[in-house]
Amino acid sequence: SYVLTQPPSVSVAPGETATISCGGDNFVTKSVHWYQQKPGQAPVVVIHYDRDRPSGIPERFSGSKSGNTATLTIYRVEAGDEAEYYCQVWGTDTDHVVFGGGTKLTVL
Amino acid sequence: QVQLQQSGPGQVKPAETLSLTCTVSGISISTDYWAWIRQSPGKGLEYIGHIYYSGIVLYSPSFESRVTISRDTSKNQVSLSLSFVTAADTAMYYCAWLSGYGAPFDSWGQGTLVTVSS
Repeated sequence: SYVLTQPPSVSVAPGETATISCGGDNFVTKSVHWYQQKPGQAPVVVIHYDRDRPSGIPERFSGSKSGNTATLTIYRVEAGDEAEYYCQVWGTDTDHVVFGGGTKLTVL
Repeated sequence: QVQLQQSGPGQVKPAETLSLTCTVSGISISTDYWAWIRQSPGKGLEYIGHIYYSGIVLYSPSFESRVTISRDTSKNQVSLSLSFVTAADTAMYYCAWLSGYGAPFDSWGQGTLVTVSS
């Protein structure tokens, strides 16, 4: 089955930049979406279609993709950014939708 | 604004069927796509399946043999049934809205924690 690989955890100090990677095969043909999930809440889209920010998402959130890796970058990290982040794609050979395993962002 | 309100029992016995309903407001379920996703305690997100505006359904291979996603357009509701549940099906279940194939899951229900226990 198709797998999206994320680091289990990332830690940054407030004001610094956090980068969360998401690796998968054949990324050039797939759009990557990123979700933020805080404890006890449903996920929220923070980046869609690789690099676009939905309305209401701060400009500090940025997405990119190169080769088989997509990256979520959060600039000037704030305490409120502490959450689990998931990447997601559609349309793999074996699964219609796949989520990455999630990355726990800790703000030190 | 699309809103999804979930309902259904929070506990199901092993080998029985889990049934949840998602009542949608702000848009007709005869448009767009409607999905079910679950999250086991302390784990990541797991796609179950979705139903198209046309009524066609796609399921994850992991659930295909025991899941049914259906809709009631008169009530603007989407439903999930998962049969022969085991403790491994204990999870938070979410319904979600997306505007089309390939789109992100833009709106989510509040989630329903379902515990499989006798």
